Order: sequence, then C-alpha cells, then structure tokens
Amino acid sequence: TQLLEQSPQFLSIQEGENLTVYCNSSSVFSSLQWYRQEPGEGPVLLVTVVTGGEVKKLKRLTFQFGDARKDSSLHITAAQPGDTGLYLCAGAKSDSWGKLQFGAGTQVVVTP
Amino acid sequence: DVKVTQSSRYLVKRTGEKVFLECVQDMDHENMFWYRQDPGLGLRLIYFSYDVKMKEKGDIPEGYSVSREKKERFSLILESASTNQTSMYLCASTPGGRGRETQYFGPGTRLLVL
Repeated sequence: TQLLEQSPQFLSIQEGENLTVYCNSSSVFSSLQWYRQEPGEGPVLLVTVVTGGEVKKLKRLTFQFGDARKDSSLHITAAQPGDTGLYLCAGAKSDSWGKLQFGAGTQVVVTP
Repeated sequence: DVKVTQSSRYLVKRTGEKVFLECVQDMDHENMFWYRQDPGLGLRLIYFSYDVKMKEKGDIPEGYSVSREKKERFSLILESASTNQTSMYLCASTPGGRGRETQYFGPGTRLLVL
C-alpha cells in the first residue's frame, strides 16, 4: 500500500505548456520533499517543505505543502525539455531517523 | 562535492547465486539506506543503518541482509537470488538526525536475475 499517492502517473506536454503534479496522503508528515530522477541516475533533491501552507519557488517550479501537511503539489510554468524526468514526492514522519516514504512517481516528458 | 558510489551499474546473476551490492559515501554521513525501485511502485526501503554495525529493517527486508562494518560502506546481500529480485537498487545517505535532511543517492545498480 502506497502511503503517498502521486497523480498523474504519466504526463506528456509540449514545450511552453504548464503542468501540475499532485502528491496526496491520509497521513500527516513533518516534512515533504520532491526529487527528480533522470534515466540512469539516482534521484536528486529539488526542495523540502516543512510548514503547512508553505510555498517555495525554484525558478519555474512552484512547490506547495498543504495546510494539514498531508498533501503537496509541484507546478511547472512554461515547461522545457530539460524538465523531463521522473518526479518523486517523499514524506518524513517526525523521529523517523531520516527515513522517507516515497510516492510511485510521475513521469514527465516535455517535447520541443 | 557529495558523492555516493555503487559498485556496479549493471549485474546479471543466476537464480540461487549470492549477490553483493556495495555502496560507498565520502561525506562522513551517519545514515545509509538501501532501496529497490520498480515501475509503478516507486522506491521501497529494504534496510537502513544509522551507525556502524547498526541496522534496521525497512518495508521489504525479506530475502535481503546488510552489513555496515565501516561508516562509509553499506553492503546489500541477496543470500540466494530469485527472479523477483530483478530490480533497480539505489543506495542513499544522509548526515544524520531525524528527518528533513537531503538524501544523497548513488546512480543505482540494475540487477537482472535469470
């Protein structure tokens, strides 16, 4: 059973379009992270959000943590081919020794 | 620069073989993790270690064991490989503490068990 549900599983868009990826759970997390993974590589951290309602921006990427700290979203504005990758959300419970619960991931493909 | 390395990028083994996957980090991190990644299932934690010689089971430890004799090295052992252990294996490390730290991942080992 996946604690964190990501949607959609797959997203294919044209360069310049916007997209949103969702990460939902019935559990409360002390923090939530988003990673991006490219083929043949391990995931790389994009952002960590820790406060309910928090919004963080990383250039064209906007991350939001839900008020109840159970869900999160990632919005990409004017997507570029370099945004192509597998986006993974991961939640941490308090006192978890750094252990994370990962979602199944959203594969994003941006075509020129 | 932070670095996590894994001993092999690709491995092909036969059913019943003993398989060793090694992970080394050069950041003096306390915590190390082994995950397997399968399509549609994301990353699932097999084992983690928060100190030398200390280990704890993750969500799917069956069929696996681990060893951490030195701080920088964390090994995953498949005692008797089976075809359902064909997967991508990822190692990660964090500085320590109880969450919120970045997990630094190695490039992964793609294991095929025939």
